[in-house]
Amino acid sequence: AQSVTQLGSHVSVSEGALVLLRCNYSSSVPPYLFWYVQYPNQGLQLLLKYTSAATLVKGINGFEAEFKKSETSFHLTKPSAHMSDAAEYFCAVSEDTGNQFYFGTGTSLTVIP
Amino acid sequence: GAGVSQSPSNKVTEKGKDVELRCDPISGHTALYWYRQSLGQGLEFLIYFQGNSAPDKSGLPSDRFSAERTGGSVSTLTIQRTQQEDSAVYLCASSPNQIRNGELFFGEGSRLTVL
Repeated sequence: AQSVTQLGSHVSVSEGALVLLRCNYSSSVPPYLFWYVQYPNQGLQLLLKYTSAATLVKGINGFEAEFKKSETSFHLTKPSAHMSDAAEYFCAVSEDTGNQFYFGTGTSLTVIP
Repeated sequence: GAGVSQSPSNKVTEKGKDVELRCDPISGHTALYWYRQSLGQGLEFLIYFQGNSAPDKSGLPSDRFSAERTGGSVSTLTIQRTQQEDSAVYLCASSPNQIRNGELFFGEGSRLTVL
């Protein structure tokens, strides 16, 4: 069975500071991993995805994530936070053999001016 | 269409009434998913369609919930005899095919409030 754990339901950072949103997964087979972002009153949109190619994945808006199998983690980072990054971020896992996507409970990012 | 379209965007209903939520996926997308998003609960999987069939209905919370998809396109999620705990945002997503590593394309959701 698959599951996703996002540590920290709320994260606050100062504008220009490092953003680190944590995601750990459990999967019995090599997973596919995703980060989605949800801006207020909008649907979810894909930030980036890991599909067994390079372990360091670059996404939109300067975000990136690194797949670490030994730690079963897929943390999302951005070197310098911008006010426009304030949103809800969801980590998700999918398996090769299925079509099910499992989402974490989300992390709300606040950027302080 | 250009994106996944959901209607209504907002629905307020009285307890005990039935509601229908509609999802129009991206043209050509064969996979369609329904999720429920409650405050602080993340995304709860409800049901998944591949074409018109639903291989996975495991997430439907009760027999008051049902969904169908016709013509491999539009899907309707029906909630009968609504309860207050059904209040949530219902999200629909579609995907190009029975993919292994593709992404989901989400609509903006239907916000349901049961009074």
